[in-house]
Amino acid sequence: QSALTQPASVSGSPGQSITISCTGTSSDVGSFNLVSWYQQYPGKAPKPLIYEVSKRPSGVSNRFSGSKSGNTASLTISGLQAEDEADYYCCSYAGGSSMVFGGGTKLTVL
Amino acid sequence: QVQLMESGGGVVQPGRSLRLSCVASGFTFSNYAMHWVRQAPGKGLEWVAVIWFDGSNKYYADSVKGRLTISRDNSKNTVYLQMISLRVEDTAVYYCARDLPSGTNLMGWQFDPWGQGTLVTVSS
Repeated sequence: QSALTQPASVSGSPGQSITISCTGTSSDVGSFNLVSWYQQYPGKAPKPLIYEVSKRPSGVSNRFSGSKSGNTASLTISGLQAEDEADYYCCSYAGGSSMVFGGGTKLTVL
Repeated sequence: QVQLMESGGGVVQPGRSLRLSCVASGFTFSNYAMHWVRQAPGKGLEWVAVIWFDGSNKYYADSVKGRLTISRDNSKNTVYLQMISLRVEDTAVYYCARDLPSGTNLMGWQFDPWGQGTLVTVSS
C-alpha cells in the first residue's frame, strides 16, 4: 500500500488560511469517508484533529476543517496562529483491513 | 480520563525479540479495537496492526507480517505487540491508539486517543 501524498512543507503568516492536501487513489481516499488528520509537535504523540473527512473531536478548534473531493482530502487551517506550527498527517482506510498515512507536512508560521 | 500508556521499549540487537505493552484506562477497553502505529526517527507515521475489540480479528501492515503479533488481554485492559526477528529498520517510536468507531460501525479506522509512545532501538 503506497503512502498518501502530502506536500512536505507549507507556510503562512499569522491570521492567514492554509490548506494541506492529501492525495490518494480510488482504492483508499476515493472509496471511503474514513480520512483523518493528526497534528504532531516534535517529541509528542499525534493529536486527532479531524475524523471521517470533516468531523472535529470535542475540544478541537473550529479553525481546523476538513474536506474531500475525489481522491484528494484537504485540511484547512484558518486564522493561522503561531501555535499551529507543527507536523500534520492525513490517514485513510485503504480497504482490505489496512490503513495508510500520508508522508506528513511541516507547517511553518512565518 | 481516557489514557493509554505504552511500555517495553528499549535497545535490542538485530534478530532478537521484544514485547510491547499498552495499558488502557478511563474507558471500557473491551468495547474498542486497538491499533499500533510506529514512527521511525525523523520519519512519518506508519500503521502497524489492529486487533478487534474481542481479539477475534487481527490485521497487519505488509512490512511486519510474520514478525509482529498483536494480542490483547481484556481482563488486564492491555494490548501487546510481540516483535520477533527484529531488524534495524524496526527502530521507531511505537504508539498504541484506540480505534474511533464510525457511526454504527464497530470499526472506524481512525485513532483517538494515542499513547505517549515507547522507543524501540534495534542496533548491534
